[in-house]
Amino acid sequence: QVQLVESGGGVVQPGRSLRLSCAASGFTFSNYGMHWVRQAPGKGLEWVALISYDGSNKYHSDSVKGRFTISRDNSKNTLYLQMNSLRVEDTAVYYCAKNYYYYDTWGQGTLVTVSS
Amino acid sequence: QTVVTQEPSFSVSPGGTVTLTCGLSSGSVSTSYYPSWYQQTPGQAPRTLIYSTNTRSSGVPDRFSGSILGNKAALTITGAQADDESNYYCVLYIGSGIWVFGGGTKLTVL
Repeated sequence: QVQLVESGGGVVQPGRSLRLSCAASGFTFSNYGMHWVRQAPGKGLEWVALISYDGSNKYHSDSVKGRFTISRDNSKNTLYLQMNSLRVEDTAVYYCAKNYYYYDTWGQGTLVTVSS
Repeated sequence: QTVVTQEPSFSVSPGGTVTLTCGLSSGSVSTSYYPSWYQQTPGQAPRTLIYSTNTRSSGVPDRFSGSILGNKAALTITGAQADDESNYYCVLYIGSGIWVFGGGTKLTVL
């Protein structure tokens, strides 16, 4: 079955970096655009980034532009989110989600806590 | 800056019908915004309900339907059930690869 499994979350100090991964299985990963979506504690969903099926196009929200970078390795069926210069307000559960024009499958999420 | 608007909360009686909406701070929502809807209960990942305005995701009962009503996207739940009590989010594609979520609607069934 189609499955997305995020990993890489944890507790990190402000200003530090972290890389999230999303392992995909059960579908042809290289055929689909992929998103990162986050949710701060007790808050709503926030779109973070989108990458095209082949990695040639990448888009980021204004709140993370210049600090976060989405990427993918189609040979490893894995999506990444490199997060630099982390801020307290980046604390959230980060979900990866499949497809370009909507999110048809979600991972279970990985928690990133930015705290000194 | 584009803001996507949703009712913060809504209440429906069991068996009743409710329509949640998804609008834009400026302008009208059309199918070109690829509106989609997601249901989420606390502590769980979102569940996809509707995409591309009115297409139900696999396994979603037909009492959930999507449409454009006036200048907004809409999610209608017909015959509300207790387990429909959740948070509902819409998201719109505003172009240039950018997506914006609404703030979510907390639906109470009572």
